[in-house]
Amino acid sequence: KQEVTQIPAALSVPEGENLVLNCSFTDSAIYNLQWFRQDPGKGLTSLLLIQSSQREQTSGRLNASLDKSSGRSTLYIAASQPGDSATYLCAVRPGSARQLTFGSGTQLTVLP
Amino acid sequence: DTAVSQTPKYLVTQMGNDKSIKCEQNLGHDTMYWYKQDSKKFLKIMFSYNNKELIINETVPNRFSPKSPDKAHLNLHINSLELGDSAVYFCASSPLGVGADTQYFGPGTRLTVL
Repeated sequence: KQEVTQIPAALSVPEGENLVLNCSFTDSAIYNLQWFRQDPGKGLTSLLLIQSSQREQTSGRLNASLDKSSGRSTLYIAASQPGDSATYLCAVRPGSARQLTFGSGTQLTVLP
Repeated sequence: DTAVSQTPKYLVTQMGNDKSIKCEQNLGHDTMYWYKQDSKKFLKIMFSYNNKELIINETVPNRFSPKSPDKAHLNLHINSLELGDSAVYFCASSPLGVGADTQYFGPGTRLTVL
């Protein structure tokens, strides 16, 4: 059974810092991995999607990497801003099934 | 606006009641999902429908019954509500083919059972 773990559970940084969020999964037989952002009282917004054959994806100040063999992914946020404050969720899609298995998230606070 | 919408946003009810949560997407997607997010923030898949047909039915109590009147709607009906049903329920949708990997989520329905 696939399990997804995110560390740390919460992170507080001053504005402008670069930071890394970690995600690990127990079964390396994944189809893809996604990073989502969840704002309080709102739904999830997809940030980056990495296919199992890819090593990384970039979008603006965000960079996500994937090491499938070790069951790890990182989300790198450059030059953090207060508007980046949210909960970041990692999710894997196992094989041919379309449902996602989520981690419990990292709650990020960027202090002005 | 093109989006996934859910109603109601908040639902407070007594134990034993029956309630429904509605979901609609106007993105033209073929697949819709229901997820449950518990107090520890874990999101877990409950159901998935593809063109009105149930394709995923995780281990949830049979008090939960999804209904898909058409491919743009996936409603969740819950019978005999229990305290443990309190959670945030998210609806999502995704297309087939190109872009199928990305799921679009609704804003969530916070259900509180007293």
